Amino acid sequence: EAGVVQSPRYKIIEKKQPVAFWCNPISGHNTLYWYRQNLGQGPELLIRYENEEAVDDSQLPKDRFSAERLKGVDSTLKIQPAELGDSAVYLCASSFRAGGGAFFGQGTRLTVV
Amino acid sequence: RKEVEQDPGPFNVPEGATVAFNCTYSNSASQSFFWYRQDCRKEPKLLMSVYSSGNEDGRFTAQLNRASQYISLLIRDSKLSDSATYLCVVNIQTGANNLFFGTGTRLTVIP
Repeated sequence: EAGVVQSPRYKIIEKKQPVAFWCNPISGHNTLYWYRQNLGQGPELLIRYENEEAVDDSQLPKDRFSAERLKGVDSTLKIQPAELGDSAVYLCASSFRAGGGAFFGQGTRLTVV
Repeated sequence: RKEVEQDPGPFNVPEGATVAFNCTYSNSASQSFFWYRQDCRKEPKLLMSVYSSGNEDGRFTAQLNRASQYISLLIRDSKLSDSATYLCVVNIQTGANNLFFGTGTRLTVIP
């Protein structure tokens, strides 16, 4: 069975440019998370979806970040415009239900220069 | 205050040693608990869930103390391949119902 798939694996952009990340969760998993992880830190939640509904986006910097999960399957996370401080690994995870153990994709390593 | 606190380490132990990590959580409404393992430049991977009665998976034993709000992970007979960062994860079902991660404890097993 395929795991969580994310793309791209790596992205280097100049500041003020837009960037988008894509995630395909494990089939049948209703809960989808986007996390951001900085070096030496644990993942920090950005947004959680239950099917197509964003049920918790309190940690998402809404002035520049946006996310969507159309049809309750794939999800995209967008940053526009990117700032130097956005450099991090962006991880997507999914679980069968909220509160259950989540499975992560390989992440997108973003470098903003 | 962070939801989950861990000693970042590093823990450097010889092969064959027993090592234990602790983690504390701040919200008494926490319901589910997990340990994840993360290798360098890789994604976190679910190691094991933590149950109230304690649970064991091979050389790994997880314990939960709800009264003191801490979780532990014990690794017996450490292998070189156990070298990684171990992340403590807590689900708080009241309100957010999200998974909160600690900063991780780094383990290096030395030959």
